Amino acid sequence: NAGVTQTPKFQVLKTGQSMTLQCAQDMNHNSMYWYRQDPGMGLRLIYYSASEGTTDKGEVPNGYNVSRLNKREFSLRLESAAPSQTSVYFCASSEKGTATEAFFGQGTRLTVV
Amino acid sequence: QKEVEQDPGPLSVPEGAIVSLNCTYSNSAFQYFMWYRQYSRKGPELLMYTYSSGNKEDGRFTAQVDKSSKYISLFIRDSQPSDSATYLCAMSFTGNQFYFGTGTSLTVIP
Repeated sequence: NAGVTQTPKFQVLKTGQSMTLQCAQDMNHNSMYWYRQDPGMGLRLIYYSASEGTTDKGEVPNGYNVSRLNKREFSLRLESAAPSQTSVYFCASSEKGTATEAFFGQGTRLTVV
Repeated sequence: QKEVEQDPGPLSVPEGAIVSLNCTYSNSAFQYFMWYRQYSRKGPELLMYTYSSGNKEDGRFTAQVDKSSKYISLFIRDSQPSDSATYLCAMSFTGNQFYFGTGTSLTVIP
C-alpha cells in the first residue's frame, strides 16, 4: 500500500523553466492538497481539491496552477519558475471533506537557480 | 500576526524525560487541532487529532486543547531517542485549509 506518491523526489530548474509535480494516492481519498515548506515558515497551503473536479486557492497560490486529473491524481505546475519557488513541496490527501486526517507524501525538493 | 505560533526550539532532553510542546493561535474559530511528527527529509505524519476542546491520550502521547486561552499542547511521556523529530501543530476552521506552526525540533539524548 503506497499511500501518497510524489514524483520527482528532487529537481533543479533554471529560472523561467516550467515543470509539473505529480502526486497520486491509492487510498480512495476525496480531498488532495499541495503545500510548500520553507525554513521558519512552516507548511503553507498552495492549492487544494476538496473533490474530483474542484480546485481552490490556498494561502500562497501565485505562480502555480493545479489539475485534479481524476480522483487519484493531483498535479502542481510551475509555468515560469522563480528562485522564490525553491522549496520542499508536499502533496497530501484525506478521506473526508473535512480533511481531519491528512496523509502526506515524501516531498519533492525543488531548487530554482 | 501569524495565525499559529510555535516555538521552533531546538529542544533537547534526556531519554525518559517528559516533553511539553506548545502552540498558540489567534483565531478563536479554529475547531480542529492536530499534531504531526516529521522526521528529517520525510513527510509529516499525523500523531494526534482533537476536535474542539479537551484532552486526548494515545499511548505515551497526550494532546490538550484550551480554547479559552487559544493554546494547545502535546505531552510526550518517557521520551525515546526515536521521538527525535520536528513536531508540527496544525489547526483548521472547516477542515479544508490547515494552518501549520513552523515546527519544534526535538532531540532525545540516550
